[in-house]
Amino acid sequence: AQKITQTQPGMFVQEKEAVTLDCTYDTSDPSYGLFWYKQPSSGEMIFLIYQGSYDQQNATEGRYSLNFQKARKSANLVISASQLGDSAMYFCAMREGDEGGSEKLVFGKGTKLTVNP
Amino acid sequence: EAGVTQFPSHSVIEKGQTVTLRCDPISGHDNLYWYRRVMGKEIKFLLHFVKESKQDESGMPNNRFLAERTGGTYSTLKVQPAELEDSGVYFCASSPFYQETQYFGPGTRLLVL
Repeated sequence: AQKITQTQPGMFVQEKEAVTLDCTYDTSDPSYGLFWYKQPSSGEMIFLIYQGSYDQQNATEGRYSLNFQKARKSANLVISASQLGDSAMYFCAMREGDEGGSEKLVFGKGTKLTVNP
Repeated sequence: EAGVTQFPSHSVIEKGQTVTLRCDPISGHDNLYWYRRVMGKEIKFLLHFVKESKQDESGMPNNRFLAERTGGTYSTLKVQPAELEDSGVYFCASSPFYQETQYFGPGTRLLVL
């Protein structure tokens, strides 16, 4: 079974609008971490935001916020005030295992976001 | 601070040949990871080094793949002999010990003809 599901292969948004990229996950481990990475056309993977399973508040980093709904096992990425430079592939990933010791990441298939002027 | 670097950025080889990919992690990062994305598939974990030791190599597809991290600094991933299905993008990532976030390099695009 897929551990990370990104149901939106592609998304379109108008510049300056907000957009939500969906991510659901599956784990029985009580301790896990959730990540979002951005991959522009140049190919590098850029870390955006992290949410730990025990974090009480949703993570925020500038225009990025993570809508963490633990009971629903969802970790949607919200990008506010979209910019043309936000056009890229976005990957949701999960790390299972105890915090404090890095573990492998499991990735979703990604969502291609296109920001229209 | 320099990010994770990978060399080469692209490699085109013929089936049966050998290719060696190199990754230089961020200075001071003990954890080093290799991942791979083949066309149309998810990014998949290959292996994890802590310093020079292999912590987890459960994702290595077969014994044609050999990873090393001599001295706990840079790492190499050798594919010998390369097969068509080895084509894809190979990413390296690093993180400090006891930190969750992994920082990725730009990847090496491997094409096996």
